[in-house]
Amino acid sequence: GDSVTQMEGPVTLSEEAFLTINCTYTATGYPSLFWYVQYPGEGLQLLLKATKADDKGSNKGFEATYRKETTSFHLEKGSVQVSDSAVYFCALRGTQGGSEKLVFGKGTKLTVNP
Amino acid sequence: EAEVAQSPRYKITEKSQAVAFWCDPISGHATLYWYRQILGQGPELLVQFQDESVVDDSQLPKDRFSAERLKGVDSTLKIQPAELGDSAMYLCASSFVWGPVYEQYFGPGTRLTVT
Repeated sequence: GDSVTQMEGPVTLSEEAFLTINCTYTATGYPSLFWYVQYPGEGLQLLLKATKADDKGSNKGFEATYRKETTSFHLEKGSVQVSDSAVYFCALRGTQGGSEKLVFGKGTKLTVNP
Repeated sequence: EAEVAQSPRYKITEKSQAVAFWCDPISGHATLYWYRQILGQGPELLVQFQDESVVDDSQLPKDRFSAERLKGVDSTLKIQPAELGDSAMYLCASSFVWGPVYEQYFGPGTRLTVT
């Protein structure tokens, strides 16, 4: 079945450092890919998405490119802030068999220190 | 801005007791989802409704879990009897309709602790 594997955390960075969180997926067909963010005590928020190969999703300085050849959707940000501290989830939504449920990775906790 | 509402936010219950969670989706959203998020894991879909009908409940442990959305608006998820392994965050989400282009909006969740 469909699955998502993302970089294990926790990740600790200093403010203004470069961030990469790796995400790879296994799916049949052409899934849509997502990054969600969960701040402490809150529900998940959609951060960015990409629906086809070579699409780049971007939001709030974060970017991720849908790479079908490497089945990857790595999250990057050039300069992180303390307010970016949260748990980040990579997810896919498949297209096979009418199932359109979201399949999530295990999450990567990011802590940014001043 | 419209939000998905959930209550209670926190629930502590003893093993073998019954527990229920409530979700009110964003107004006008036809599709409602219940997810379970075990600590350190990503959310896993338990049940999906389209209006009042169940679309997918393949991962719902039906011997103890039940879900309903009687009027196609708000929804209740029930566990009876609760077990220690049910301790988790229960998230509700909604989307305008069922389809890949429609974003799912998540509520704040109910954190359940079973003692």
